[in-house]
Amino acid sequence: DTGVSQDPRHKITKRGQNVTFRCDPISEHNRLYWYRQTLGQGPEFLTYFQNEAQLEKSRLLSDRFSAERPKGSFSTLEIQRTEQGDSAMYLCASSLALAYTGELFFGEGSRLTVL
Amino acid sequence: AQSVTQLDSHVSVSEGTPVLLRCNYSSSYSPSLFWYVQHPNKGLQLLLKYTSAATLVKGINGFEAEFKKSETSFHLTKPSAHMSDAAEYFCVVSVTSSGGYNKLIFGAGTRLAVHP
Repeated sequence: DTGVSQDPRHKITKRGQNVTFRCDPISEHNRLYWYRQTLGQGPEFLTYFQNEAQLEKSRLLSDRFSAERPKGSFSTLEIQRTEQGDSAMYLCASSLALAYTGELFFGEGSRLTVL
Repeated sequence: AQSVTQLDSHVSVSEGTPVLLRCNYSSSYSPSLFWYVQHPNKGLQLLLKYTSAATLVKGINGFEAEFKKSETSFHLTKPSAHMSDAAEYFCVVSVTSSGGYNKLIFGAGTRLAVHP
């Protein structure tokens, strides 16, 4: 399968713990996005990378959240000191820059439950 | 600011009957609009896109949408619903940042139920 893959698919953690999600985009895609989706809502933009550069961070991304894309390939999203309000589906998507047509290729998401 | 509003959170139809999912947009100029679909436990998938070419856009699985500037609408339709169409549908607008790149802004979604 050559689509966007995310790991883990499900994570249950206790409040205050740190969690990290990984995203492997489609190999030739140099744009990578993170979105968050809560129950009954559409995905909300969190952050965007072009190659290894993080070009935008949403106000939703508090200082407890950090995202990296160290070599312009896979990306990680870390949440420190998790809170119950962080419970959501975290979606990763990728696309090509030069041929951007609005189509983002999404992974199946990482569902976080904070107890 | 550009945004989209999906007018129905839930739509229920019988198999074989038409589907209409409504979306209005807000934009100061001609937007790029999309419909994405999310099946249970599956990733979001692009259904169709409008990028200022033909106002009637055809997508996958028999869906189509019509861009109506006078009504600021981009409703999604299908002549005959199939059980496999049951899913969450998102109307989406592309916005351009000051840095020149694009990101997608999603509506709240419409859950489509299809009954036998």
